[in-house]
Amino acid sequence: GENVEQHPSTLSVQEGDSAVIKCTYSDSASNYFPWYKQELGKGPQLIIDIRSNVGEKKDQRIAVTLNKTAKHFSLHITETQPEDSAVYFCAAPPTFGKGTMLLVSP
Amino acid sequence: ETGVTQTPRHLVMGMTNKKSLKCEQHLGHNAMYWYKQSAKKPLELMFVYSLEERVENNSVPSRFSPECPNSSHLFLHLHTLQPEDSALYLCASSQVSRSTDTQYFGPGTRLTVL
Repeated sequence: GENVEQHPSTLSVQEGDSAVIKCTYSDSASNYFPWYKQELGKGPQLIIDIRSNVGEKKDQRIAVTLNKTAKHFSLHITETQPEDSAVYFCAAPPTFGKGTMLLVSP
Repeated sequence: ETGVTQTPRHLVMGMTNKKSLKCEQHLGHNAMYWYKQSAKKPLELMFVYSLEERVENNSVPSRFSPECPNSSHLFLHLHTLQPEDSALYLCASSQVSRSTDTQYFGPGTRLTVL
């Protein structure tokens, strides 16, 4: 089955800095890669996704890149804000990474 | 969050109790999922109902029993649970297609087994 590795497990940044979270997957047949944000007491919420026919997708301060050859994809958050603090999950559905706890300090 | 609702939000039960978790999706999707989320572990897929077929993770103990009476409702029946079953149980739904399978999650049920 699919195996998804996510790094780092925790990430602390100062407000305004950029944050990068990386994931690798094992099944070359996977072609859809969503990212979820989970705030305390809530279920994961989709924030951005990418399909295998593109290498990059951007939505305001959030971007995702995909390298199909290397089987890895990354989430980039620019100009981080305290409200970005949450746990972020990558996925190659139905398999999820272990999550990254992002803490943005004012 | 109103797309997928879950009840109850919190549940405390003893090991001899029988309880059920309920999930309802209002998105017109054709697949529903149960996940278990434990501390420091990845989301663990327990059961999938997709296009009226059930797919399950063979590692899930038989004390968890799913039921999907229609495409909008999903239940997880619990009996004779163990303390290690304490976790956040998340329901999700999606519209299965070739190009995407975006899952939308409910808020979860926080289960504590005493």
